[in-house]
Amino acid sequence: EMQVLESGGGLVQPGGSLRLSCAASGFTFSSYAMSWVRQAPGKGLEWVSTVSGTAIATYYTDSVKGRFTVSRDNSPNTLHLQMNRLRVEDTATYYCARGFVWFDLWGPGTLVTVSS
Amino acid sequence: QSALTQPPSASGSPGQSVTISCTGTSSDVGGYNYVSWYQQHPGKGPKLIIYEVTKRPSGVPDRFSGSKSGNTASLTVSGLQAEDEADYYCSSFAGSSNVFGTGTKVTVL
Repeated sequence: EMQVLESGGGLVQPGGSLRLSCAASGFTFSSYAMSWVRQAPGKGLEWVSTVSGTAIATYYTDSVKGRFTVSRDNSPNTLHLQMNRLRVEDTATYYCARGFVWFDLWGPGTLVTVSS
Repeated sequence: QSALTQPPSASGSPGQSVTISCTGTSSDVGGYNYVSWYQQHPGKGPKLIIYEVTKRPSGVPDRFSGSKSGNTASLTVSGLQAEDEADYYCSSFAGSSNVFGTGTKVTVL
C-alpha cells in the first residue's frame, strides 16, 4: 500500500526552528517530486515547497524563501522540511504530498504551532 | 502567487448537481492544463479527485467531472450524495510553483 506519514510537528517559540520528516513507502520514491502543503487552522490549503525526484531542483512559496529548506533522502525514502526563523503565521498542519503538478498521495499531516 | 478564487459555499439536495468555479490568471489556470481538484472531509487530509483539468484517478466516481475555459476551471458533482459534503479545493501548476484555491464548502441539503 502506498503511503506517506509525517512527523516532527510540535510547539515552538517565534524565531525557533523545527524539522519535519515524511516517511514514504509502497512506491518508487525517487521517481516522484515531493511537496509540502500546509493548512492554517480553519483556513485553506497553501503550497509551501517542492523537491524534484533527484533533489536537483527545489521550489518555495515566497513567504518561506530563505527560512525553510526542503530536502530528501532516496534511501531510505524520506522527505524533510527544515523550518528556521519560525513566525506565528507559520502555524498550520503540514502535509507531505506526492507530486508537484498535482498531488495524488497525502499524509494525515503534522501540526506545527508557533507561539510564545 | 495569489490564491485562486472559489465561492465560499455551494449546496444542493441529494441527486442534484453542484458546480464550483475556480478563477485564476493566464499565469496559472489559463496558462496550463494542469488544474486539479481535491476533496477534504473534516479532520482528514485532502484527496485528489480530478487532475489535468478533466481526468479522474482510479476509484473516483464519474459523478465528479472537471472543465476549463480561459482562466476559469470548474468542478461539477452530479447526483449529489451525503458523503459528498466536504470542502473542495482547486489547484493549478504555475511554472515554478503551485497555487491552491480559496476553498468551497459543499453542503448536501
